[in-house]
Amino acid sequence: EAGVAQSPRYKIIEKRQSVAFWCNPISGHATLYWYQQILGQGPKLLIQFQNNGVVDDSQLPKDRFSAERLKGVDSTLKIQPAKLEDSAVYLCASSHSGRGGTGELFFGEGSRLTVL
Amino acid sequence: GENVGLHLPTLSVQEGDNSIINCAYSNSASDYFIWYKQESGKGPQFIIDIRSNMDKRQGQRVTVLLNKTVKHLSLQIAATQPGDSAVYFCAETSKTSYDKVIFGPGTSLSVIP
Repeated sequence: EAGVAQSPRYKIIEKRQSVAFWCNPISGHATLYWYQQILGQGPKLLIQFQNNGVVDDSQLPKDRFSAERLKGVDSTLKIQPAKLEDSAVYLCASSHSGRGGTGELFFGEGSRLTVL
Repeated sequence: GENVGLHLPTLSVQEGDNSIINCAYSNSASDYFIWYKQESGKGPQFIIDIRSNMDKRQGQRVTVLLNKTVKHLSLQIAATQPGDSAVYFCAETSKTSYDKVIFGPGTSLSVIP
């Protein structure tokens, strides 16, 4: 079974530029998550999709961050314009629906963003 | 609100010894508590979970203990190996919050050969 795929693995941009990250979840996983992980900290949930609908985006800085999940499969996370504090690893995860919410997420390897 | 945190940011253990990683939580409504392992340059990997109505659950070389009275969670790793060196996160999830998974700050485990 293929895992969660993310790209790019690394990205360096200057502040005020834009960047987009892509995620392909495990086939059949209805729930998709984007997390932001700043160095030395635990992952922070940005947005959670159930199929192609948003169920939680309370921690997403909506003035600069946006995310979509077209057709309930792939997802993109965009930052525009980027700030220095956006430097982090952006992790995508997916999970089964119907597992009773046990919290077992499958993560990609992440996209490391450096904002200069 | 939800808050999951760890007591010790770093832990060093001798190879072959047992490791204990601790976690405190504050959300009494959580349904599941989960431990994840994150190796350098990789995403977190699920280790084991425990439902809120249980006190103990065992896996292969790992045991998770849940004390709801003091809102404390621990992960015990038996016969720690160099491959266990990683950052360990406890996390929680609740049906009342659409199965949102909230992570704590993590503990770095270093195994001394």
